[in-house]
Amino acid sequence: ELKVEQNPLFLSMQEGKNYTIYCNYSTTSDRLYWYRQDPGKSLESLFVLLSNGAVKQEGRLMASLDTKARLSTLHITAAVHDLSATYFCAARSNSGYALNFGKGTSLLVTP
Amino acid sequence: ETGVTQSPTHLIKTRGQQVTLRCSSQSGHNTVSWYQQALGQGPQFIFQYYREEENGRGNFPPRFSGLQFPNYSSELNVNALELDDSALYLCASTPSISERGYGYTFGSGTRLTVV
Repeated sequence: ELKVEQNPLFLSMQEGKNYTIYCNYSTTSDRLYWYRQDPGKSLESLFVLLSNGAVKQEGRLMASLDTKARLSTLHITAAVHDLSATYFCAARSNSGYALNFGKGTSLLVTP
Repeated sequence: ETGVTQSPTHLIKTRGQQVTLRCSSQSGHNTVSWYQQALGQGPQFIFQYYREEENGRGNFPPRFSGLQFPNYSSELNVNALELDDSALYLCASTPSISERGYGYTFGSGTRLTVV
């Protein structure tokens, strides 16, 4: 069974600082996803990573994938308050059926 | 291009009752999957439908069932509701697996409360 672990689960950071969220998955997966969720809202797609070494950037967020280490990272650069949300990574099982989500990282950016 | 729409947005049911949640997939997407998200947790896969057939199921009991219609819209039915069924139910649509589509578009969800 494909298991996904994120850390940290809670992160409080000051505006302007950098930080990285880590996502480990237990077995081979062909796709890794990052989502953002605001309180009471649905999931907003941030990145889809398809191959080893893939790196994608959007604004202050950059995601990378190392399939050999079964590790993805979401790096936050110069955080701003608007980035406060819960971030989920999800790995797709090779059967193609399910996205297996981590427990999420609750990010709070403070002045 | 329309996104994924779910109805209703909120629902309150009594333990033991039955509920039906609905989802209209994004245009061009013929695969629909359902997820349950308990408060403070990540979404858990319930099942997936492709061409009106269930082709994948997570660790949920048979009282969770579904349908997909020819227009690719879908329903999630839950019988004999339990308090632990209280959650946000998310529907996601994607292009078919055979097309190697990779985009999962999530709807805004249905918040189910069982009392």
